[in-house]
Amino acid sequence: AQRVTQPEKLLSVFKGAPVELKCNYSYSGSPELFWYVQYSRQRLQLLLRHISRESIKGFTADLNKGETSFHLKKPFAQEEDSAMYYCALTGGGTSYGKLTFGQGTILTVHP
Amino acid sequence: DTGVSQNPRHKITKRGQNVTFRCDPISEHNRLYWYRQTLGQGPEFLTYFQNEAQLEKSRLLSDRFSAERPKGSFSTLEIQRTEQGDSAMYLCASSSAHTQYFGPGTRLTVL
Repeated sequence: AQRVTQPEKLLSVFKGAPVELKCNYSYSGSPELFWYVQYSRQRLQLLLRHISRESIKGFTADLNKGETSFHLKKPFAQEEDSAMYYCALTGGGTSYGKLTFGQGTILTVHP
Repeated sequence: DTGVSQNPRHKITKRGQNVTFRCDPISEHNRLYWYRQTLGQGPEFLTYFQNEAQLEKSRLLSDRFSAERPKGSFSTLEIQRTEQGDSAMYLCASSSAHTQYFGPGTRLTVL
């Protein structure tokens, strides 16, 4: 069974501080990992996916297959980063696209 | 094209009543997904369509739930004989490749 775990429900940092949102997964195969973000009163949207290896809004995430982790990092947090963040994975084959989400982490960046 | 739309945005019903939600995906997106999200949890996969074919259904989708996507365009999700445990946010997403675009959701409250 596939599972995504985000151990922190809440994370608070001050503006300019580094931030790391943790994500661990369980999947028997090669999953594709994503981070989705939901800003206040907005819909859920894709932040980044591990395959594209890009930095979006200063965030990066590296897939560590040995530790089965996909932590989201940003060196200098901004107030506008305050949001709910979800880690998600999908498998291959006919189930590709079916997303399994973690419980989410609420990030609050204080001024 | 303003993205994925869902109607109604809110629905309050009495236990035992039937409800139907509609999702209009982004034009030409061939995949459409339904998720359910309860308070404090990440979205949970319910079912998805590729064009008009329903390819997978979650075990969460009891016999009281049915989804359709006639002609491969909009989709409907019907819940028969609603129960209080059905109270949740029902999210729809569509995609043509790797990125799923989410709608604003329909919040169902069963009294």
